[in-house]
Amino acid sequence: DAGVTQSPTHLIKTRGQQVTLRCSPKSGHDTVSWYQQALGQGPQFIFQYYEEEERQRGNFPDRFSGHQFPNYSSELNVNALLLGDSALYLCASSLSQTQYFGPGTRLLVL
Amino acid sequence: RKEVEQDPGPFNVPEGATVAFNCTYSNSASQSFFWYRQDCRKEPKLLMSVYSSGNEDGRFTAQLNRASQYISLLIRDSKLSDSATYLCVVNIASGNTPLVFGKGTRLSVIA
Repeated sequence: DAGVTQSPTHLIKTRGQQVTLRCSPKSGHDTVSWYQQALGQGPQFIFQYYEEEERQRGNFPDRFSGHQFPNYSSELNVNALLLGDSALYLCASSLSQTQYFGPGTRLLVL
Repeated sequence: RKEVEQDPGPFNVPEGATVAFNCTYSNSASQSFFWYRQDCRKEPKLLMSVYSSGNEDGRFTAQLNRASQYISLLIRDSKLSDSATYLCVVNIASGNTPLVFGKGTRLSVIA
């Protein structure tokens, strides 16, 4: 049984560009949450998707948007990238309470 | 005040030592509590859930004090492989809701 997978593993962008990150949840999991982890910090909740809708959202600007597909996979989109968006982006999938994290996408904005 | 606060690190301990991590949370309505482990440049992985009655998993013991809003993790007989960052995590509502992470405490176990 594959765990949570994310792509790409690494990404380099320049300020102002847009990026799309992808996540496939564990088999049987219907909920996907996205977190941003800056260097030296704990992960910060961005938003959560369930039944193809954004169910909850953290304190992130509208430049951060997402989508969940019928197969429960999810995308995170970030527009107008800023230097401060450089971080590890983690996807977590869950069925009930326990969240399982993917390996993350490391984004560097130059 | 941050929602979840942890001891500042790093902790550098010799093999075989006992080390304790402390964590406090600000939201008294918090429902669930966890310790996650994160290796360098890897994703967080669930180490153990924390219950009011306390729970033990081998060399690891977790305690929760709801009255003091305090969570602890004790590692006995430290191994080199225990070197990682330990994240205190709180779920402020029941069910499948967002996790709130502390900043993490880095542990280095030295031979």
